[in-house]
Amino acid sequence: DADVTQTPRNRITKTGKRIMLECSQTKGHDRMYWYRQDPGLGLQLIYYSFDVKDINKGEISDGYSVSRQAQAKFSLSLESAIPNQTALYFCATSETSGNVDEQFFGPGTRLTVL
Amino acid sequence: DAKTTQPPSMDCAEGRAANLPCNHSTISGNEYVYWYRQIHSQGPQYIIHGLKNNETNEMASLIITEDRKSSTLILPHATLRDTAVYYCILTSGTYKYIFGTGTRLKVLA
Repeated sequence: DADVTQTPRNRITKTGKRIMLECSQTKGHDRMYWYRQDPGLGLQLIYYSFDVKDINKGEISDGYSVSRQAQAKFSLSLESAIPNQTALYFCATSETSGNVDEQFFGPGTRLTVL
Repeated sequence: DAKTTQPPSMDCAEGRAANLPCNHSTISGNEYVYWYRQIHSQGPQYIIHGLKNNETNEMASLIITEDRKSSTLILPHATLRDTAVYYCILTSGTYKYIFGTGTRLKVLA
């Protein structure tokens, strides 16, 4: 089984709808992240969490909210989706081991807002 | 975190070494250089990282210049499966990554 899973993998929704993307991990990592990727561009950080009680805004948090329900779960919500939020969304986890701070990414959720 | 500059695309013949450059002229003393790659639209995958010294692992080698203002990722014998977008990222222990647009490497048969 994959260490970092995302649901749904694909979603088509309409403008104004509320939508939640979910991320679960079995790696036991405290740190979790949500990124967005637009076509042809790199990933942009939306929100990150260093533990259940610690939530931080990233580069592009406007229009998004998150919930860290447990160490293993980190959800991203779009309260009122708009077409320019159409993108590929990635969840990631990380833990520092020695001098390595490697992030482990999920498979992504492709979101289309009509 | 400081920014990086990478060429948008490169081609490499299969079996040859692929050398991917990255400029990071404003790098701070405590910033590490990390390399990730993204195959098609999958989640990025860690390749290698370094601070000052050159590093090598089973996937690649990382050469960092003495002034640390640039680095090169080397894939010694590129295969078709190495076709991907390669990202050079700086991070200083804040655990946050700032991704640029990366280099799209195409390995040619």
